[in-house]
Amino acid sequence: DQQVKQNSPSLSVQEGRISILNCDYTNSMFDYFLWYKKYPAEGPTFLISISSIKDKNEDGRFTVFLNKSAKHLSLHIVPSQPGDSAVYFCAASVGGATNKLIFGTGTLLAVQP
Amino acid sequence: EPEVTQTPSHQVTQMGQEVILRCVPISNHLYFYWYRQILGQKVEFLVSFYNNEISEKSEIFDDQFSVERPDGSNFTLKIRSTKLEDSAMYFCASRVTGGHEKLFFGSGTQLSVL
Repeated sequence: DQQVKQNSPSLSVQEGRISILNCDYTNSMFDYFLWYKKYPAEGPTFLISISSIKDKNEDGRFTVFLNKSAKHLSLHIVPSQPGDSAVYFCAASVGGATNKLIFGTGTLLAVQP
Repeated sequence: EPEVTQTPSHQVTQMGQEVILRCVPISNHLYFYWYRQILGQKVEFLVSFYNNEISEKSEIFDDQFSVERPDGSNFTLKIRSTKLEDSAMYFCASRVTGGHEKLFFGSGTQLSVL
């Protein structure tokens, strides 16, 4: 069951440059998309989200883009900082009473000083 | 910032034994969840709990699993007879409402079944 896919298991960028993390989904019923960040030995931490009625949401250095026709979303981090090094999970939800999240497999981002 | 607290952080058990994983969700939250992550795999939904009953469960959450909110603060996941494939990091999560409020996760309990 690969409803949410992150095809890049890892990404390495230089400090100050842009990080672009990608995510694809197959279920057209998803109506909300989220990015979570996870450090080792910690739980996932909410980063940013976007509703399916929007195509862009921005919060400081983080921007999420949604392309519904391509069933694709991306997370842009500008400028990247060494503290951004973590595993980033894309997640989606269908809505309804429980709003369970369907996660991707994650992308390990390494920001080099 | 308020936190979801999970205990223990690590649990080692023998196959066939019962384990109880404990969680204290954030105090004003009403929706509670368990997720798990097997090493190298994605975070998977197990169960959601609202108003003292299960609102949804995945196919992973079979008869060996149960959840309980025994008092006003704790939320527990019990695995009655553990199997090797239950070895995973188990995350408790909570949110205020059932809408698209962000989900707060605990730090997880690493369960190792030997």
